[in-house]
Amino acid sequence: AQTVTQSQPEMSVQEAETVTLSCTYDTSESDYYLFWYKQPPSRQMILVIRQEAYKQQNATENRFSVNFQKAAKSFSLKISDSQLGDAAMYFCAYRSAPNFGNEKLTFGTGTRLTIIP
Amino acid sequence: DGGITQSPKYLFRKEGQNVTLSCEQNLNHDAMYWYRQDPGQGLRLIYYSQIVNDFQKGDIAEGYSVSREKKESFPLTVTSAQKNPTAFYLCASSSPRGNEQYFGPGTRLTVT
Repeated sequence: AQTVTQSQPEMSVQEAETVTLSCTYDTSESDYYLFWYKQPPSRQMILVIRQEAYKQQNATENRFSVNFQKAAKSFSLKISDSQLGDAAMYFCAYRSAPNFGNEKLTFGTGTRLTIIP
Repeated sequence: DGGITQSPKYLFRKEGQNVTLSCEQNLNHDAMYWYRQDPGQGLRLIYYSQIVNDFQKGDIAEGYSVSREKKESFPLTVTSAQKNPTAFYLCASSSPRGNEQYFGPGTRLTVT
């Protein structure tokens, strides 16, 4: 079974600075997807960014980018120019590729990000 | 607007009563999922359904039941057999070959 580990329960960053959230995972599969979800105080889960394991290029979405290290099974999220609206719980998640027949998400325990004005 | 709706937002029940949480989507997605979220923990999968009239147990299915009679609807029943039912429940859906799951706003269930 796959596992996802987020070793930082809480992080804080000064507004406009850069912060990196860590995520490691364990799997024996070669093809899979990785995601970062954001959960603000409203508790709505919002997809931030995704990465396909077969792609070597790191995904980027505006101020959000990932550092995907497949061999190390590491998937960190970098938030640049942090804004007050970025304050939330961030969850890393793993999903097998469709041809494995199991499309459920496995989540880490989350990192609570605080933005300091 | 396309999306996933969950109702109600807050639900209160007495211990020993069954309660059904609603989840509806108009995204034309085939797959639907139920997750449970407890403080300090990530989301854990309760049940999922990849097609109408079919569903599979997730990691913590004991004390829960589901049905999938329509593509748009995937209700979750929390039975009296669930030992710790107080939690936040999230419903999600994904398209047939979709890679990401889209989530509803969640239902906070409190059982006393």
